[in-house]
Amino acid sequence: GAGVSQTPSNKVTEKGKYVELRCDPISGHTALYWYRQSLGQGPEFLIYFQGTGAADDSGLPNDRFFAVRPEGSVSTLKIQRTERGDSAVYLCASSFGTGRRETQYFGPGTRLLVL
Amino acid sequence: AQSVAQPEDQVNVAEGNPLTVKCTYSVSGNPYLFWYVQYPNRGLQFLLKYITGDNLVKGSYGFEAEFNKSQTSFHLKKPSALVSDSALYFCAVRDSRRFGNEKLTFGTGTRLTIIP
Repeated sequence: GAGVSQTPSNKVTEKGKYVELRCDPISGHTALYWYRQSLGQGPEFLIYFQGTGAADDSGLPNDRFFAVRPEGSVSTLKIQRTERGDSAVYLCASSFGTGRRETQYFGPGTRLLVL
Repeated sequence: AQSVAQPEDQVNVAEGNPLTVKCTYSVSGNPYLFWYVQYPNRGLQFLLKYITGDNLVKGSYGFEAEFNKSQTSFHLKKPSALVSDSALYFCAVRDSRRFGNEKLTFGTGTRLTIIP
């Protein structure tokens, strides 16, 4: 079956602009995660959804970042007033359940460049 | 807090030789441990995980990893390296005890280069 998909694959924007990044999880997966990977670093957790609700948003760096999952499937990560430091690869992952034994499967990521 | 250390930024191995990519972890409770591989311009691909039971875990593409509780390590191994194994490898940990703590904490990655 299809894996996790993310759009766009690349996004270039100017400082101060608003961007939306989309994630389409594996069909049937109830849990969805967003991570951010800066150059030369491992992925860092941003937010996790169980169904439609954000169960843990402790990784969001500030209130410019927000994510939604209104129907419990597709999720959108929204960044307001982008800054150059927001440039990174944004990774989405999904898992079948929320048990800590579950494997998270990752999408190809969206590479965001803020000029 | 949970953390992962990958002490080697770069590992070079001759094709056909055994390879090891090192990982140590720190968690409050029992760990769930994962290895992922990342190819250029692609997302993370799951290789294997340790949850409980046998300390030697076998995964995709001939990789295996050994969980060592006393040394808090989870090194990735393969008996005979292929050039196609060249990629960036990430170790990740989750604390099994913390309810609601679903996030993975990753190391900084190890770039594995297999030399023909």
